Amino acid sequence: DSGVTQTPKHLITATGQRVTLRCSPRSGDLSVYWYQQSLDQGLQFLIQYYNGEERAKGNILERFSAQQFPDLHSELNLSSLELGDSALYFCASSGGGNNQPQHFGDGTRLSIL
Amino acid sequence: AQKVTQAQTEISVVEKEDVTLDCVYETRDTTYYLFWYKQPPSGELVFLIRRNSFDEQNEISGRYSWNFQKSTSSFNFTITASQVVDSAVYFCALSEALSGNTPLVFGKGTRLSVIA
Repeated sequence: DSGVTQTPKHLITATGQRVTLRCSPRSGDLSVYWYQQSLDQGLQFLIQYYNGEERAKGNILERFSAQQFPDLHSELNLSSLELGDSALYFCASSGGGNNQPQHFGDGTRLSIL
Repeated sequence: AQKVTQAQTEISVVEKEDVTLDCVYETRDTTYYLFWYKQPPSGELVFLIRRNSFDEQNEISGRYSWNFQKSTSSFNFTITASQVVDSAVYFCALSEALSGNTPLVFGKGTRLSVIA
């Protein structure tokens, strides 16, 4: 058990819809990262938050947004969903020290029909 | 830009064989971290090791060992006496280290199948 909790585990929805993925980091971790794993693109970094503020942005589409709340949990919002958004979305967290290893949640598998 | 290459897409071995997974990286940073993660069939990503670019000592943990060679920009992973439970996709990853807590750049992964 990594200590990172992601909900839901599975999500099935239709094109054009909007979904929210939730992540609770390990106790004490200030950084939260979101990654997307798809067959064609592999594991790609989307966005990072550190103690409530956006820290780094990767290949995140404009239709996607995220935030980190005062209790440090994070949400990834995906809107106007397309078939190509079907993927496994991972959240990871790490501590405040210099580049502590990132520990990953079990992921949310998103299927767009 | 940072890049991680895992040239072996899939490897199949018979149980008890040794197997080495290759990882080659590119970065302009002088300080960086290298990682290996395991993704078993159940799908979660499990952290295995992190290595600082200043520390080229090889590391051994049970049946696992890692060989870091800065001269060839490689960070290879060897499993000794492989077991069926080692069947998984293994990812090598890289991150810049100076600014702390930075995102990971992953390779495409190597799917290891260990046959009984």
